[in-house]
Amino acid sequence: NAGVMQNPRHLVRRRGQEARLRCSPMKGHSHVYWYRQLPEEGLKFMVYLQKENIIDESGMPKERFSAEFPKEGPSILRIQQVVRGDSAAYFCASSQMNSPGQGADSPLHFGNGTRLTVT
Amino acid sequence: QQQVKQSPQSLIVQKGGISIINCAYENTAFDYFPWYQQFPGKGPALLIAIRPDVSEKKEGRFTISFNKSAKQFSLHIMDSQPGDSATYFCAARSTGGGNKLTFGTGTQLKVEL
Repeated sequence: NAGVMQNPRHLVRRRGQEARLRCSPMKGHSHVYWYRQLPEEGLKFMVYLQKENIIDESGMPKERFSAEFPKEGPSILRIQQVVRGDSAAYFCASSQMNSPGQGADSPLHFGNGTRLTVT
Repeated sequence: QQQVKQSPQSLIVQKGGISIINCAYENTAFDYFPWYQQFPGKGPALLIAIRPDVSEKKEGRFTISFNKSAKQFSLHIMDSQPGDSATYFCAARSTGGGNKLTFGTGTQLKVEL
């Protein structure tokens, strides 16, 4: 049973380049969440997607950041024209349903993250 | 307010002791409170979770205590072991927010021999 798979594990980009982070959810999961973790800080919500739909992008910076979860293939978090402040660990999480049903919970399962370094 | 406040920032406990981490929240729309454990270089892993209609939940050495009126909840790790050394995050989820979690800032726990 493969968990949430993220790649690459480490990504180094120079300022101005583009970063593409990939996430394959757990088998059977159709809901994907992206979080960013800065050093010594908690995880900050960025975006919530279902297949082919963005449900909540309230945590996404308005510029340079975009996310997609196509019908086929992994979810992609894309950062254009990266700056040093984008350096962080980016975590993807998936769940089976968007909220638990009566008496059941569908917790978030996290991948091991992509550590982006902008030089 | 969506904030979840967590304390302490770091904690050192002797092997066999009790580790206690506290969290507080403001948003009364939160309906689910999980705790995650994170080891260096890894993603957070769900440890234990509670709903506000329950005051306590225990799973093995881990217990969540929940005080709805005070809007506080805490994680207790009994008989702490060196293998428990990790960063612990409390979190909260709003009703109708999907599985979108608001995290505390984390507590670095070190269990010494």
